[in-house]
Amino acid sequence: GNSVTQMEGPVTLSEEAFLTINCTYTATGYPSLFWYVQYPGEGLQLLLKATKADDKGSNKGFEATYRKETTSFHLEKGSVQVSDSAVYFCALSEAGGSYIPTFGRGTSLIVHP
Amino acid sequence: GAVVSQHPSRVICKSGTSVKIECRSLDFQATTMFWYRQFPKQSLMLMATSNEGSKATYEQGVEKDKFLINHASLTLSTLTVTSAHPEDSSFYICSARPNSGGLNYTDTQYFGPGTRLTVL
Repeated sequence: GNSVTQMEGPVTLSEEAFLTINCTYTATGYPSLFWYVQYPGEGLQLLLKATKADDKGSNKGFEATYRKETTSFHLEKGSVQVSDSAVYFCALSEAGGSYIPTFGRGTSLIVHP
Repeated sequence: GAVVSQHPSRVICKSGTSVKIECRSLDFQATTMFWYRQFPKQSLMLMATSNEGSKATYEQGVEKDKFLINHASLTLSTLTVTSAHPEDSSFYICSARPNSGGLNYTDTQYFGPGTRLTVL
């Protein structure tokens, strides 16, 4: 079956530091890949997505590249802000799974001033 | 676009009572909506898939008689927690998948802001 593995958190950074949150996946078909962000006490917001190999999703300074050869979709940001503190979820969905997403466990990001 | 609302955002109830949570897609139609449960500092657990005009599909281990789902229109799904007990206290999140042809994002779900249920 499908699965998503994220790096354990929390990830603690100082403001303006470079961020990488690793995500790897296993899938039976050709999934679409997503990053969602969850701020404290809120639901999930779609941050970015990529639908095929070598696609790069980007939004609000975050980006992730769909790497089929390494089955990865690592999230990066060049300079984090305190307001980026949240939990980030990597996910995949595919037609074979009726587009029901498979989520990673989430990685908490804490950014200090 | 692609906004999903949930109501209420927070509810406290007594043990044994029933609680209804609404999930609405505000600017798109969604034949399919999903209900998740999230425990503190954990990922989302899919409870059920809600399909407009038909019975919901429940994940293994989820009691369909306890968590009643009704998807009466293309923009509204409801989850009713019946005879709630303290162990039902949790954060419930819904999501909606836009119908294809309109937004053409069949692989993407949009999430509501969640409902915090506390059962005393």
